[in-house]
Parts: sequence; structure tokens; C-alpha cells
Amino acid sequence: DTGVSQDPRHKITKRGQNVTFRCDPISEHNRLYWYRQTLGQGPEFLTYFQNEAQLEKSRLLSDRFSAERPKGSFSTLEIQRTEQGDSAMYLCASSLARGNPTDTQYFGPGTRLTVL
Amino acid sequence: GENVEQHPSTLSVQEGDSAVIKCTYSDSASNYFPWYKQELGKRPQLIIDIRSNVGEKKDQRIAVTLNKTAKHFSLHITETQPEDSAVYFCAASSTGTASKLTFGTGTRLQVTL
Repeated sequence: DTGVSQDPRHKITKRGQNVTFRCDPISEHNRLYWYRQTLGQGPEFLTYFQNEAQLEKSRLLSDRFSAERPKGSFSTLEIQRTEQGDSAMYLCASSLARGNPTDTQYFGPGTRLTVL
Repeated sequence: GENVEQHPSTLSVQEGDSAVIKCTYSDSASNYFPWYKQELGKRPQLIIDIRSNVGEKKDQRIAVTLNKTAKHFSLHITETQPEDSAVYFCAASSTGTASKLTFGTGTRLQVTL
């Protein structure tokens, strides 16, 4: 499967615990995005990387959230001291930016986080 | 920032009929408008997109129209089939936001036999 992959697909944790999600983009895609989707809503932008550089973070991303893309390939999203309000589907998307800034994003299957 | 509104929130049509979903956007700088289909528990899948230099784009039974002056765009599905049943999201992005997508709230389309 050459699409965007995410791991784990489901995560159940207790409030206050830390969790980390991984995203593997489509090979050669230089942009990687994280979105959060709650039930009945569209995805909301969290942050994005161009290669290894994190270029923008949404105000939705509190200090408890951190994302990395150390070698410009896979990315991790960590949530520290989880809260029940963090329960959502975390979606990763990747794209190939070739000078046209409005590049097409392809989404992964998401990681569904449930905070008890 | 950009704001995208989508209507209707639910839409039920009979198999073979057409379905139309409408979105409006607020940022006049937006120049890319994709539509994603999301089945229950699945990833959003791009079904069609349009850039601001064209007014209409068609791909088999699916078409998208864009009115930049009015800042709205629409998805048209003809000859609907049961497998078209899903949630559809419109989105918008602009050059200045590095393709960061702002999504609408989604339309749940149900195609009945």
C-alpha cells in the first residue's frame, strides 16, 4: 500500500497519560499535515511540515501538543497530559509541493483517540 | 482566517436522481477547492477539485462549479447510486496558507433505492 499510513489506528488512554501517534506519508511527498476531526465535523488544521521544518501551528495546538518530522519522512504527534476533550480522530495528510502552492492532499486512515 | 459554510447538512435522494451540495467561503484569496468523500470509519478521499482559474470541472458523474464573484462552489452528482452514500466535505485553501485546508461541516448524503 503506497498511501498515507498511520499508527496506531485506535488508542484508548486514561486522562493525564501521554500518547504518541505516527504518520508515514506517501513516499517523496515533502509536505505533511496533521488535522483533528471530531464527530460530525470536518477536519481542523493543526500543523504542517515542509520537509523537516514545522512551518505553521494552529491556535488549536496547545502547549501539550508537539509534532516532529525529524528526517523529513515520517512524523509523530505527541499529546501530553491528555484530557477528555482531546478525544477525536487525528488525521495525517501528505502532498507534493512542486511550486504550485495549492497541492493536493492525500489523507491517512487516522488514529482514533479516546481519553477516559 | 478562512471560513467555509456547507449546506445542506443532510441530503436524501432516490437512486438515479441528482444531488447538489453547496459551499461558501469568506477569504477572497482562496484559490483551491477540493471535495472529499468520507465513508464511515474511513479516510477522507479526494473525489474532485477545482482551482480558481476555471469555473467548472467534470469527472464522469461528478462535477464542481465555482463562482469566484459570489464566493461559492458546488458539487453535483448525477445518476446517484447507493455507493455514493457517504459524508461529503468541501474545503478551501489559498496560496498564502500553504494549502492548509479549511473544511466545511459536511453533508451526509443518503441514496435510497
